Amino acid sequence: DADVTQTPRNRITKTGKRIMLECSQTKGHDRMYWYRQDPGLGLQLIYYSFDVKDINKGEISDGYSVSRQAQAKFSLSLESAIPNQTALYFCATSPGRELAGTDTQYFGPGTRLTVL
Amino acid sequence: GQNIDQPTEMTATEGAIVQINCTYQTSGFNGLFWYQQHAGEAPTFLSYNVLDGLEEKGRFSSFLSRSKGYSYLLLKELQMKDSASYLCAVSRTNAGKSTFGDGTTLTVKP
Repeated sequence: DADVTQTPRNRITKTGKRIMLECSQTKGHDRMYWYRQDPGLGLQLIYYSFDVKDINKGEISDGYSVSRQAQAKFSLSLESAIPNQTALYFCATSPGRELAGTDTQYFGPGTRLTVL
Repeated sequence: GQNIDQPTEMTATEGAIVQINCTYQTSGFNGLFWYQQHAGEAPTFLSYNVLDGLEEKGRFSSFLSRSKGYSYLLLKELQMKDSASYLCAVSRTNAGKSTFGDGTTLTVKP
């Protein structure tokens, strides 16, 4: 069983539509992250959360919002999708340095989003 | 801010050794990660260096020099399945998150 799951795995939508990407984890980690990856580029951090009541903006949060409904769930929303949000989106979890000595990240399989 | 530089692409031959370099500039440096990412798949953890020196793990080794802001990933006895992107990521003290470089795409040829 996958420890970090993302739904949907693929999504095609139109400009202006609201989209929600879901992430669930069974690793018991407090920390969760959302990244986007454009072709040939590294990972850019959108939002991250250290626990259920904690939400932090990353490098590229404009046009996105998140919700941390429970320790195991972290959702990413695009309120009004635009074509330059077409990308591969990854969710990740981390146990945090206090628990594990490192903030190694464990990634979900990704969601490929296309905005037409 | 942070600046992380890696070569964009590298090519090597099956069975050979390849070294992928990463240089960084950051305040509050805590450690450096290497992740492997096959095309269209999720990144997976390879190594983490906190102290200066070489960490060996099977065919893969990672080196860190904190004073020089430099790391490398060494892959020995290359196999075709090692064709992937290799991401260098810097962890900062008390930040709880890492900043990723753009990755180095390695192609292993027969």
